[in-house]
Amino acid sequence: DTAVSQTPKYLVTQMGNDKSIKCEQNLGHDTMYWYKQDSKKFLKIMFSYNNKELIINETVPNRFSPKSPDKAHLNLHINSLELGDSAVYFCASSQEPGGGYTFGSGTRLTVV
Amino acid sequence: DAKTTQPPSMDCAEGRAANLPCNHSTISGNEYVYWYRQIHSQGPQYIIHGLKNNETNEMASLIITEDRKSSTLILPHATLRDTAVYYCIVRVADSWGKLQFGAGTQVVVTP
Repeated sequence: DTAVSQTPKYLVTQMGNDKSIKCEQNLGHDTMYWYKQDSKKFLKIMFSYNNKELIINETVPNRFSPKSPDKAHLNLHINSLELGDSAVYFCASSQEPGGGYTFGSGTRLTVV
Repeated sequence: DAKTTQPPSMDCAEGRAANLPCNHSTISGNEYVYWYRQIHSQGPQYIIHGLKNNETNEMASLIITEDRKSSTLILPHATLRDTAVYYCIVRVADSWGKLQFGAGTQVVVTP
């Protein structure tokens, strides 16, 4: 039973399209996150939600919009995709404060 | 959150202990030391964390110096599956602070 699951695992799309990535956790954690890992392998936090409330919003273009319908789900919608959005996106969850994060296996987004 | 400094890479022989150093000289009194690792193409994996006492779990041991300015992650018997990038991160544990990843140490375990 996967603790943090993301779909899809791979996503290839054309510039200008809109796409969504879904994330679900079955750990009962209160906090969920989206991270982006670019081609240089640096992991950067994008958003964090605690009990469906946005608590961290890094400097991310408005084209990225997270949505948390309940505390077990955090989806990421991306409008007007650009080449620079190509990266691996990781979802994570934790039982804050101070708990270890559990990461999903990632979604590799390629914009062509 | 305080910054950390790690060597960019290190090799370790299979079956031997791997000692991964981390410097965090600007650590504050309420900041914990966390270790994560990322095996190629997978999501990061939590390993261990501690405040000032040494910690041990089924994966590793964490040794924090008395002045808390540095720490060492010890993998007691490295296996080929321990080849990964290891991240040392310092953050306040009792807040909603974000987990910030640096460049980490690329550890390669060789037969």
